[in-house]
Amino acid sequence: EADIYQTPRYLVIGTGKKITLECSQTMGHDKMYWYQQDPGMELHLIHYSYGVNSTEKGDLSSESTVSRIRTEHFPLTLESARPSHTSQYLCASSVRQGGEQYFGPGTRLTVT
Amino acid sequence: GENVEQHPSTLSVQEGDSAVIKCTYSDSASNYFPWYKQELGKGPQLIIDIRSNVGEKKDQRIAVTLNKTAKHFSLHITETQPEDSAVYFCAEFLYNFNKFYFGSGTKLNVKP
Repeated sequence: EADIYQTPRYLVIGTGKKITLECSQTMGHDKMYWYQQDPGMELHLIHYSYGVNSTEKGDLSSESTVSRIRTEHFPLTLESARPSHTSQYLCASSVRQGGEQYFGPGTRLTVT
Repeated sequence: GENVEQHPSTLSVQEGDSAVIKCTYSDSASNYFPWYKQELGKGPQLIIDIRSNVGEKKDQRIAVTLNKTAKHFSLHITETQPEDSAVYFCAEFLYNFNKFYFGSGTKLNVKP
């Protein structure tokens, strides 16, 4: 089992609310990632970080933002949730680029 | 992702039979190819990987083969068991972009 945690596991929230999805890892990994997983299962990279104070947008356009103030913590924030944000969000970390990614259990978000 | 095609999308086999999942990629610069298993309610977990300087790798009932000329790689599971039932993802790592691209997933059902 990888030491990477996501909270909450499930969240149902109304349109317009601000939410933050938490992701923490205790492995000391510099590289961290956020993926959005469609109902059709495919994973899309939405944000990544190569270390503290480093964040980049991924390939899938997302209205979310991320921050990396501490190595172990990589939260994702939606300022104003919309039904189109309904999805599963997976956080991952790795020791190096091009190496094994360790995934958290995911947060399933439903925006009503 | 657009760089990786994965087939089939669903696969049903009888317990004890073999299962094969195939992925094709387009960028010859890719040199790391992991396979992930995702069980219901969990994040993906690495089960085997291969680098481009190797043609085949085996770990007990699981093997991966890589054909660099044809740009495809395959996951082979022998003597399947009901606990092998899950969604399997292939991925490629593009060093030019420092990113992973995932296949669309294969839902494997092993019937007892």
